[in-house]
Amino acid sequence: ELKVEQNPLFLSMQEGKNYTIYCNYSTTSDRLYWYRQDPGKSLESLFVLLSNGAVKQEGRLMASLDTKARLSTLHITAAVHDLSATYFCAADNFGNEKLTFGTGTRLTIIP
Amino acid sequence: GAVVSQHPSWVICKSGTSVKIECRSLDFQATTMFWYRQFPKQSLMLMATSNEGSKATYEQGVEKDKFLINHASLTLSTLTVTSAHPEDSSFYICSASWDRDYGYTFGSGTRLTVV
Repeated sequence: ELKVEQNPLFLSMQEGKNYTIYCNYSTTSDRLYWYRQDPGKSLESLFVLLSNGAVKQEGRLMASLDTKARLSTLHITAAVHDLSATYFCAADNFGNEKLTFGTGTRLTIIP
Repeated sequence: GAVVSQHPSWVICKSGTSVKIECRSLDFQATTMFWYRQFPKQSLMLMATSNEGSKATYEQGVEKDKFLINHASLTLSTLTVTSAHPEDSSFYICSASWDRDYGYTFGSGTRLTVV
């Protein structure tokens, strides 16, 4: 059974600082996804990582995937208040389409 | 592209009544859709996989008779919460994908409150 762990669960950081959210998954997975959720809203797709060594960047966010370590990271550079949200990683169960979500990281950026 | 529309956004119903939630893929055909449930400040839990033209596949612990899923066309899946009770109050979200390499698109979610 695929399990996805995320840490930290909560992250409070000052504007301008850098930080990384970690996502570990337990078994082989085809794909790794990152999503953002604002309070009361649904999920917004951020990144899709398809292969070992994949790195994608959008603005102040950069995601990477190490399939050998079964680890994905979401790095935040020079955080700004607008990045405050809950971030979820999700792994695609190998061989089927079901997603397993991590616990989520609630990120709060303090001015 | 890859837009998923979910309706209604919120609904309040009396205990014992049934509520239907619709999930539509607007610009692609979705043979498979997924229904999730999210409690406040928690992650998403997959409830069931909706398959066009066949029975839904429910996750362990999800009551099939409580959460009826119908996927009658390639663009529409519905979730009916039958005989709703306050403990069914939650945020329900559907999703679909036209190509897994491009990710899954989520509906806007439905906040159900049973009073």
